[in-house]
Amino acid sequence: RKEVEQDPGPFNVPEGATVAFNCTYSNSASQSFFWYRQDCRKEPKLLMSVYSSGNEDGRFTAQLNRASQYISLLIRDSKLSDSATYLCVVSQHTGGFKTIFGAGTRLFVKA
Amino acid sequence: DGGITQSPKYLFRKEGQNVTLSCEQNLNHDAMYWYRQDPGQGLRLIYYSQIVNDFQKGDIAEGYSVSREKKESFPLTVTSAQKNPTAFYLCASSIGTAKNIQYFGAGTRLSVL
Repeated sequence: RKEVEQDPGPFNVPEGATVAFNCTYSNSASQSFFWYRQDCRKEPKLLMSVYSSGNEDGRFTAQLNRASQYISLLIRDSKLSDSATYLCVVSQHTGGFKTIFGAGTRLFVKA
Repeated sequence: DGGITQSPKYLFRKEGQNVTLSCEQNLNHDAMYWYRQDPGQGLRLIYYSQIVNDFQKGDIAEGYSVSREKKESFPLTVTSAQKNPTAFYLCASSIGTAKNIQYFGAGTRLSVL
């Protein structure tokens, strides 16, 4: 089993749709959680950090469920410019540093 | 402009050759990282450094070497011992390794001739 697992997709959605991605992780000692966005042949860029209380940034909402060890990302009112690969990142920094990137979920938003 | 600069953007390696990828940051970050990305896979950590003159192996360090003589610089050498070096190499930095938000350079694409 991979340490961080994501549905690779692709998710094909029309503009204006709501789409949700999930990510599961196996290391219960994980402490920090992030969603990054990666455009084709470009570097990853931070989309948002993820907290147990949930956090929202405009059309994007991220949630962490520590008990079930999964992270979610919800995108509302999808735009063409949201087309990208979304990477789930899980990090541990006490008792040894470890950062694991998921393989990513591809999203295509169509006009 | 503050950021992370990787060079070159494209690099070709001949058999038996060592090549060095450059990574420079002017963000005053203590921690720096090197990752490798293969198609359809997540980023895999090669080496990381939490402070000048110190670095640690990541998950796939074999065939690679690094140095951290200056805070701003963390070059990666892909040695001839790395038999499958073709990949997209990404350098990142963060303030520290605790609750670290990592910021990435634009990457170097390495291919074998």
